[in-house]
Amino acid sequence: NAGVTQTPKFQVLKTGQSMTLQCAQDMNHEYMSWYRQDPGMGLRLIHYSVGAGITDQGEVPNGYNVSRSTTEDFPLRLLSAAPSQTSVYFCASTPGLGGLGYTFGSGTRLTVV
Amino acid sequence: SQQGEEDPQALSIQEGENATMNCSYKTSINNLQWYRQNSGRGLVHLILIRSNEREKHSGRLRVTLDTSKKSSSLLITASRAADTASYFCATDAWDSGYSTLTFGKGTMLLVSP
Repeated sequence: NAGVTQTPKFQVLKTGQSMTLQCAQDMNHEYMSWYRQDPGMGLRLIHYSVGAGITDQGEVPNGYNVSRSTTEDFPLRLLSAAPSQTSVYFCASTPGLGGLGYTFGSGTRLTVV
Repeated sequence: SQQGEEDPQALSIQEGENATMNCSYKTSINNLQWYRQNSGRGLVHLILIRSNEREKHSGRLRVTLDTSKKSSSLLITASRAADTASYFCATDAWDSGYSTLTFGKGTMLLVSP
């Protein structure tokens, strides 16, 4: 099992550019989430999905879009990149409400200049 | 907003010693989870304790939960240099029937040989 796969691992964007961070899992997990990690801030939830076709906002959703057309994929779109979106982004998944813990991807380090 | 707050922010010990990290949170939870993050890597799930449990063990890990004090502790016994990492607690409150994790800012553990 590959687990949770994130691409790319590193990305540099110019202010105003858009891009999509990819996340795929092969564990048939229903729940998927996107977090950003900033120094001294821990991880903050951006968006999450409880199944294909169902998404909702987390703590810091502004500037980001998500969609969930399949169980496996949960891409995160930056609409118009800003320096404040410089961060490390993590995708995570869990089977559901069974209290089994989350599996995290290895992260995407994004720099917006 | 941050739900969990870890204490201490940083901890430095010698190999073979025990390491104790504490986590406090603010609202009711369904479960509390601990994760490890090695530098530059994704988070790895260590252990989950449900709100109706008081103590749980997994190998060299021991977790306690006191829901009356809204606090948890993670004990790593007989620490090894490979335990050097950041440790995060995360609360899972099942708000609106969905599972979303809220992380603390983490404790950086340094285990010296």
